[in-house]
Amino acid sequence: EAGVAQSPRYKIIEKRQSVAFWCNPISGHATLYWYQQILGQGPKLLIQFQNNGVVDDSQLPKDRFSAERLKGVDSTLKIQPAKLEDSAVYLCASSSLPGYGTEAFFGQGTRLTVV
Amino acid sequence: AQTVTQSQPEMSVQEAETVTLSCTYDTSESDYYLFWYKQPPSRQMILVIRQEAYKQQNATENRFSVNFQKAAKSFSLKISDSQLGDAAMYFCAYRSAGGSQGNLIFGKGTKLSVKP
Repeated sequence: EAGVAQSPRYKIIEKRQSVAFWCNPISGHATLYWYQQILGQGPKLLIQFQNNGVVDDSQLPKDRFSAERLKGVDSTLKIQPAKLEDSAVYLCASSSLPGYGTEAFFGQGTRLTVV
Repeated sequence: AQTVTQSQPEMSVQEAETVTLSCTYDTSESDYYLFWYKQPPSRQMILVIRQEAYKQQNATENRFSVNFQKAAKSFSLKISDSQLGDAAMYFCAYRSAGGSQGNLIFGKGTKLSVKP
């Protein structure tokens, strides 16, 4: 079974530039999550999709971050314009059923450096 | 709001020995799930073990076991017969059994080193 795919693995941009990350979840997984992991901290949820609908985006900085999952499969997370404090690892995860004890499978993440 | 606290930023263990990683959490809910995830340098989070709050029996997965104390809101991970491949960041995570349908709330992590 193929895992969660993310690209790119690394990205370096200047502040005020824009950047996009891509995630392809495990086939058949309806739930998709984007997490932000700042160095030295645990991951923090940015947004959760159930199929192509948003379940939770309460911690997404909507003035600069946006995400979509148009066909209920792969997803894109965008930052525009980027700030220095956006430097972090962005993790995508998916699960087959919404929440509870169901295991979430994670991708390898994208390490973003904003200079 | 729920919080997860890992009070040990770093731990070290000798190969083949046993180590225990601590985790406490705060919640007003009675039904929830707890997890330990391992994150090696490759950055991919890997599930180590999970515990359902309604189960009194502590979960066990091969060399990994937990000590779940619901009243004390404590959820520690014991790694027996430590191996070099166990070296990684370990994150404790909480998931509500309701509400936002699955958001994992993570602690800050514990970096485990294994000495040969």
